Amino acid sequence: DQQVKQNSPSLSVQEGRISILNCDYTNSMFDYFLWYKKYPAEGPTFLISISSIKDKNEDGRFTVFLNKSAKHLSLHIVPSQPGDSAVYFCAASVYGNKLVFGAGTILRVKS
Amino acid sequence: DTEVTQTPKHLVMGMTNKKSLKCEQHMGHRAMYWYKQKAKKPPELMFVYSYEKLSINESVPSRFSPECPNSSLLNLHLHALQPEDSALYLCASSQGTLKQFFGPGTRLTVL
Repeated sequence: DQQVKQNSPSLSVQEGRISILNCDYTNSMFDYFLWYKKYPAEGPTFLISISSIKDKNEDGRFTVFLNKSAKHLSLHIVPSQPGDSAVYFCAASVYGNKLVFGAGTILRVKS
Repeated sequence: DTEVTQTPKHLVMGMTNKKSLKCEQHMGHRAMYWYKQKAKKPPELMFVYSYEKLSINESVPSRFSPECPNSSLLNLHLHALQPEDSALYLCASSQGTLKQFFGPGTRLTVL
């Protein structure tokens, strides 16, 4: 039962343009969502998070949007840079319990 | 110090061997985790320690045995593993449960 889904296995974007990574979830009890970035041979690195009481959170070039009615969140990266090329995981939790991860999206930023 | 360290980086073992994976953090975090990640899949939670006590075991086979000697250290003892246990083993820590910091992982190959 995949509670967190990232339906796009990969995304290719030109440097300087916007990257939009999407995530859908099925469990309406999720109350906290996170995005992690992972380079090859490294562990995931925390990027940005959002509580279910908010619909937007910004941190520099990264913005996460949450649409609770659609059970959908997205990560926007503006402007995209070649160093952003990595695997991006969406994760969710219920009341601070364990994180449930999506399958990941490979982002390639072309220069 | 915002780092989670893991040793060894790579481990090759036979099915009759006994080995251990080690994880260390000095951020004062009270929760520590073991995850298993297969290629092109998201991290899957194995164990959670909270205040040095095992709080979650995700029905992991007994050939994996976790240990938390103190608040900074987490071990994963391996015995009689199967080739399908070959994966990247990730350790993470957090103050609460939400924002977890990951180590670089140990790439395990079981022959």
